[in-house]
Amino acid sequence: EAQVTQNPRYLITVTGKKLTVTCSQNMNHEYMSWYRQDPGLGLRQIYYSMNVEVTDKGDVPEGYKVSRKEKRNFPLILESPSPNQTSLYFCASSLALSSGGEQYFGPGTRLTVT
Amino acid sequence: GENVEQHPSTLSVQEGDSAVIKCTYSDSASNYFPWYKQELGKRPQLIIDIRSNVGEKKDQRIAVTLNKTAKHFSLHITETQPEDSAVYFCAASNRARGSQGNLIFGKGTKLSVKP
Repeated sequence: EAQVTQNPRYLITVTGKKLTVTCSQNMNHEYMSWYRQDPGLGLRQIYYSMNVEVTDKGDVPEGYKVSRKEKRNFPLILESPSPNQTSLYFCASSLALSSGGEQYFGPGTRLTVT
Repeated sequence: GENVEQHPSTLSVQEGDSAVIKCTYSDSASNYFPWYKQELGKRPQLIIDIRSNVGEKKDQRIAVTLNKTAKHFSLHITETQPEDSAVYFCAASNRARGSQGNLIFGKGTKLSVKP
């Protein structure tokens, strides 16, 4: 089954404790992206990757890191989480953007930083 | 960069009525306009999209119209049903080869369909 998976789905952590949210897709998609969703603010892009070893900042990259060492995986790293990073996070993937086509979202990760 | 405005933020209709959600965009180079539906507690899912070489696209009860001159596009849902209740997001991007191509989302419209 074609899908985007994220882990964990729920996470409660404390300020400053490094964490990683994993994202994996099995559709051989070139493009992958991370979004955060906050009430009233819609979906805001954190980082994206056009292909392996190619990553770039989105609209709200501060406090986050990513890597794209393999085509299928695109982990989101919070080196020192803070309460303002409490949010719902979505990973998404698609074929190369110039090819068109749908962006598929993962199930989401709800993160709480206390 | 691109900016997408979406209105209204909330919309309540009676079952069977039509619902219209409108979005405007700022970057005239944008050429791809998808609409996503997000049910409570679930992930966004694409329901319809339109490219700039087309003015209107329809899929059963859902249609999208695009006015490139005015830089706005709209989602039309006819004969609404309670299962249409969700948050709807519009988005825009420039998918020309070599462009950044990222999706810029509107802030969403919460649609409630009352039985």
